Amino acid sequence: KAGVTQTPRYLIKTRGQQVTLSCSPISGHRSVSWYQQTPGQGLQFLFEYFSETQRNKGNFPGRFSGRQFSNSRSEMNVSTLELGDSALYLCASSLGTEPYEQYFGPGTRLTVT
Amino acid sequence: AQKVTQAQTEISVVEKEDVTLDCVYETRDTTYYLFWYKQPPSGELVFLIRRNSFDEQNEISGRYSWNFQKSTSSFNFTITASQVVDSAVYFCALSGNQAGTALIFGKGTTLSVSS
Repeated sequence: KAGVTQTPRYLIKTRGQQVTLSCSPISGHRSVSWYQQTPGQGLQFLFEYFSETQRNKGNFPGRFSGRQFSNSRSEMNVSTLELGDSALYLCASSLGTEPYEQYFGPGTRLTVT
Repeated sequence: AQKVTQAQTEISVVEKEDVTLDCVYETRDTTYYLFWYKQPPSGELVFLIRRNSFDEQNEISGRYSWNFQKSTSSFNFTITASQVVDSAVYFCALSGNQAGTALIFGKGTTLSVSS
């Protein structure tokens, strides 16, 4: 069974630009969550989607948004990029809405210059 | 509020040594779940174990074992006879009713195993 895939793996953007990251969950998994990992703040929850609906959102500004498609694939968007948005963005998929184990993708390394 | 504390920032051991990674959590939920993840240098988080709050049985999987004690709010992870391939950052995480399925992670413990 294929794992969680994320594209692109690496991205360099300029301050003020926007970026879209993509995540394809494990086949059969309907829940997708996004996390931001930085050296200073560690791993922080961004949001979770299930059946195309955002079920949960972390404490991030509105510049961070996401969506989920009918095939469970998900995208997250960050608008008006700031230097502090440089991070590893991890996507995780799980079976459903219970706290099942979440399986993570390899992440997208975003660098904002 | 929910919180996970991994007090050990870095641990260095020599191969074949046993090592225990500590995890202390805080939650007001009566039903919650605890997890351990491994993050090798490649960066991908690898799921190791999930334990719910009603199951205090210790778990052993090969060289890995976990000790869950509700009385001390701890969920410690022991690697027996460590190997170089165990070198990674290990994260303890918590999920409960307050946060839905969101994982609240500790800061992680970097384990270095030398030969």
